[in-house]
Amino acid sequence: DAKTTQPPSMDCAEGRAANLPCNHSTISGNEYVYWYRQIHSQGPQYIIHGLKNNETNEMASLIITEDRKSSTLILPHATLRDTAVYYCIVRGPLGANNLFFGTGTRLTVIP
Amino acid sequence: DAGVIQSPRHEVTEMGQEVTLRCKPISGHNSLFWYRQTMMRGLELLIYFNNNVPIDDSGMPEDRFSAKMPNASFSTLKIQPSEPRDSAVYFCASSFSRAAGNEQFFGPGTRLTVL
Repeated sequence: DAKTTQPPSMDCAEGRAANLPCNHSTISGNEYVYWYRQIHSQGPQYIIHGLKNNETNEMASLIITEDRKSSTLILPHATLRDTAVYYCIVRGPLGANNLFFGTGTRLTVIP
Repeated sequence: DAGVIQSPRHEVTEMGQEVTLRCKPISGHNSLFWYRQTMMRGLELLIYFNNNVPIDDSGMPEDRFSAKMPNASFSTLKIQPSEPRDSAVYFCASSFSRAAGNEQFFGPGTRLTVL
């Protein structure tokens, strides 16, 4: 699975959009980009994933660049409950079930 | 759905004792994963099962660790004998594997302290 690079920490004002970047320059054609987050003392929580197209769900939007070498997770209106460590993970389809979590980005939402 | 259920939520034991962690995956999921999280090493995959069969146990640290999945609704992770360096939070996760991606759903974890 391709390696990812994320900033170690970010701050965001409550109510504003949080944009979390991820670099995955060695991603291959059949690898998906996944985002998980881990709120303190809880298990990781799936947020969203995508292959080539931008994706949106009730939690967030995922913007993947055309060359697929980087992506951005967008939380449109951050709340205090969004304070967590966010992990960007690249992995293949069936047959590569393990997730390598790395160190992630610690997002702090400030009141 | 109750989600992934893990027990116990907290376990404190003494070095040398046997520890058994339990997991009930989400009904209908066909893959189950055991992870360990520490401050030093982050979140690491220990082993995962597909259709109750162990597929990859390369993350199991040593022979003191063993995992079983006797049926689709239950799995155990056993440490015998336990050591202080095994202290960590152990997470169980389950998923339904499909070609379009298979998000994993994590349980609340078991916080293990070995004295």
